[in-house]
Amino acid sequence: GAVVSQHPSRVICKSGTSVKIECRSLDFQATTMFWYRQFPKKSLMLMATSNEGSKATYEQGVEKDKFLINHASLTLSTLTVTSAHPEDSSFYICSASSFFSRDNEQFFGPGTRLTVL
Amino acid sequence: RKEVEQDPGPFNVPEGATVAFNCTYSNSASQSFFWYRQDCRKEPKLLMSVYSSGNEDGRFTAQLNRASQYISLLIRDSKLSDSATYLCAVKIKAAGNKLTFGGGTRVLVKP
Repeated sequence: GAVVSQHPSRVICKSGTSVKIECRSLDFQATTMFWYRQFPKKSLMLMATSNEGSKATYEQGVEKDKFLINHASLTLSTLTVTSAHPEDSSFYICSASSFFSRDNEQFFGPGTRLTVL
Repeated sequence: RKEVEQDPGPFNVPEGATVAFNCTYSNSASQSFFWYRQDCRKEPKLLMSVYSSGNEDGRFTAQLNRASQYISLLIRDSKLSDSATYLCAVKIKAAGNKLTFGGGTRVLVKP
């Protein structure tokens, strides 16, 4: 199956700093990438959808100025958590899909665990 | 009301037993349905899609009931390795390729 990587896998930072998370599709071109957030014992909540070369579409309640998404190429999307605060501590997971994947299946990255002190 | 709801469990299952659980969805325009498995601190992995006529993959059987707006997952001959959280996900065609996940059902298989 298609492989999606995320980097870093884990990050601990001080309150007020910005953190960038990378999501890469390693063996296919991802026309669309999705960013999710998962708090402990909760489900995945979609934050935004990004299509290569265009602005991301954010879900209701997600601040676009706080969670900056860039999808500059067909294999890379980045999520930057700006001025992170402890309440932003969560498990951030990306997924990628292609027009050519069966049923537009989303392939998930391994996730990035963010802890803001 | 949440768009996709699941019983959080945990379902404590003796090894070798059968366990089944449901997932209800509120939007009648939902078109595609999936079951994912998520292990602790890992990403979700697609277990199976759910088709209108129901489908089986080894020990796993998925069914869709459009009239009552729920899908189900049945696990036969449970293995210790089946212990995980099972997430259902729903896709609405009009919403593009977005997946809406349920809160997950935790299954613990015990010897």
